[in-house]
Amino acid sequence: GQQVMQIPQYQHVQEGEDFTTYCNSSTTLSNIQWYKQRPGGHPVFLIQLVKSGEVKKQKRLTFQFGEAKKNSSLHITATQTTDVGTYFCVGYQKVTFGTGTKLQVIP
Amino acid sequence: NAGVTQTPKFQVLKTGQSMTLQCAQDMNHEYMSWYRQDPGMGLRLIHYSVGAGITDQGEVPNGYNVSRSTTEDFPLRLLSAAPSQTSVYFCASSLEAGGLNEQFFGPGTRLTVL
Repeated sequence: GQQVMQIPQYQHVQEGEDFTTYCNSSTTLSNIQWYKQRPGGHPVFLIQLVKSGEVKKQKRLTFQFGEAKKNSSLHITATQTTDVGTYFCVGYQKVTFGTGTKLQVIP
Repeated sequence: NAGVTQTPKFQVLKTGQSMTLQCAQDMNHEYMSWYRQDPGMGLRLIHYSVGAGITDQGEVPNGYNVSRSTTEDFPLRLLSAAPSQTSVYFCASSLEAGGLNEQFFGPGTRLTVL
């Protein structure tokens, strides 16, 4: 079945450093979504990517969808303490959540 | 709009007990789903519904039942609770099925089975 893996599982960064999480699917995806979950909270939608090679930006966040539509990445520039949380990708053909990357930002 | 609401927020059960986790949305969304979240495993789909009267199994349906008698409500029933069902349960809804709409999540129910 479809599997979606994310790396790294955990990441500690100093405030101001950049951060990247990668999402890899075992099958070609129709689209991918990214969610953020704050500690003790629920997932909140960030963005959706549909087209092969698509790149979208939200302020300090840059999202990419691979050419083969089997991988994606989320890059955060100059992390802030408000970026703390777990970032999930969600792959669609059959909805599958990635394993998540937990980000800790050290002030 | 209240969005997606879930009750209760916390629950402790004994092995073998049954209970129903409630989920409601007021956004007139057709698609609703239940996930469980265990440490290090992301969210796994339990059951989903593409509209009133229609439900289907997700990745981990065993031990759970659902029904969708109205557009607004999508309760999840644990038939005979087991310690392996200790988890955080999230209900979500989106405008339509098909994966092209963002999912809105409820605040979650933290369930412990002793």
